[in-house]
Amino acid sequence: DTEVTQTPKHLVMGMTNKKSLKCEQHMGHRAMYWYKQKAKKPPELMFVYSYEKLSINESVPSRFSPECPNSSLLNLHLHALQPEDSALYLCASSAIRDRLKEGYTFGSGTRLTVV
Amino acid sequence: RKEVEQDPGPFNVPEGATVAFNCTYSNSASQSFFWYRQDCRKEPKLLMSVYSSGNEDGRFTAQLNRASQYISLLIRDSKLSDSATYLCVVIKETNAGKSTFGDGTTLTVKP
Repeated sequence: DTEVTQTPKHLVMGMTNKKSLKCEQHMGHRAMYWYKQKAKKPPELMFVYSYEKLSINESVPSRFSPECPNSSLLNLHLHALQPEDSALYLCASSAIRDRLKEGYTFGSGTRLTVV
Repeated sequence: RKEVEQDPGPFNVPEGATVAFNCTYSNSASQSFFWYRQDCRKEPKLLMSVYSSGNEDGRFTAQLNRASQYISLLIRDSKLSDSATYLCVVIKETNAGKSTFGDGTTLTVKP
């Protein structure tokens, strides 16, 4: 069982819909991440939160809006997506600074299809 | 040039074979290094962190050469269950890490 939980596992949405992806971790980690992964490609970093503050935005379009309500939760709000945004969206968490060497723990992802 | 480059693969090997994957990185400021394993339609899972002194976990050995900016993963006595995509991950540490993934190398172990 993964210690990072993502919901929903699957999501189909229209281009005019608004939806949210949710991620929760109970590992005591203070950094959380959103990644996007297309088929047969590696994960691509989208956002990094550290101590609940956005520290890295990898030039992600504004139709993706992250939110970190507290140290355990991370949301990704979706609005007016395009079909090319269809992908596996992965959440991850990690310790910070010296303990970053322990690596990231990933959730099982949300498979998003935009129609 | 990509920031992290891996052997393109795929690697198809018989059970019991020894296989090695290589990965080079271009940013000398990189601080942390990992090998992740990803099964089809699953999330990446940490296989090993990689340290300058080298580290071993059972049949898996990872090495880091900072001078050559190169990391490797050696799998001995391959099992069918080792079939997966192996991802090299490099982190330039700030407070929380900015990670770069290699494109992955696919391994298929055959009976």
